[in-house]
Amino acid sequence: DTEVTQTPKHLVMGMTNKKSLKCEQHMGHRAMYWYKQKAKKPPELMFVYSYEKLSINESVPSRFSPECPNSSLLNLHLHALQPEDSALYLCASSQDFGAALQETQYFGPGTRLLVL
Amino acid sequence: GNSVTQMEGPVTLSEEAFLTINCTYTATGYPSLFWYVQYPGEGLQLLLKATKADDKGSNKGFEATYRKETTSFHLEKGSVQVSDSAVYFCALSDRSRGSTLGRLYFGRGTQLTVWP
Repeated sequence: DTEVTQTPKHLVMGMTNKKSLKCEQHMGHRAMYWYKQKAKKPPELMFVYSYEKLSINESVPSRFSPECPNSSLLNLHLHALQPEDSALYLCASSQDFGAALQETQYFGPGTRLLVL
Repeated sequence: GNSVTQMEGPVTLSEEAFLTINCTYTATGYPSLFWYVQYPGEGLQLLLKATKADDKGSNKGFEATYRKETTSFHLEKGSVQVSDSAVYFCALSDRSRGSTLGRLYFGRGTQLTVWP
């Protein structure tokens, strides 16, 4: 089973709201990723967690705050977002990060976020 | 550096036509290569992959061969169906040591539309 689940599927929020996106995988993967995808563009890497520790932050604004409570769960906390943050947010996981031949990433269905 | 170049779309075909989507890459190390597919309103699904030169990845009638001499990983299908309409992303993961290890580098994506 190569399933990554994400909730919610859709989210509408105002610029003063606080919300969270959730991602879960039960494949025993130790690396998890957040991507942002704008329409008609490839995904852009935001964060990478490896063994529950933040490995990469791609200079993402602090209004996005990731959290990895355990090896199966990944959250993205959102606060004071801007309309230009509206996008599809994708979660992915892989067996490992930084290890050759264990790097295949499996993506979730995404959360479509609209910031008003 | 690492980069992926995909043929520009959109690609429009009739059902049962032959499909080729070109993908070439530049890599500093020894990449693994991937094709992902994104159906409308969904996340990315791994379509196929290849981890070393001359490997052929295949799935659901799609094939791609890792050609180191031409740094290419072209996607082919002998007879497309309406249900193949989607955006296809070529990607590489650099397996050499260093900070780029494990990152995915995406091409721009190619929109495929298949008419009945």
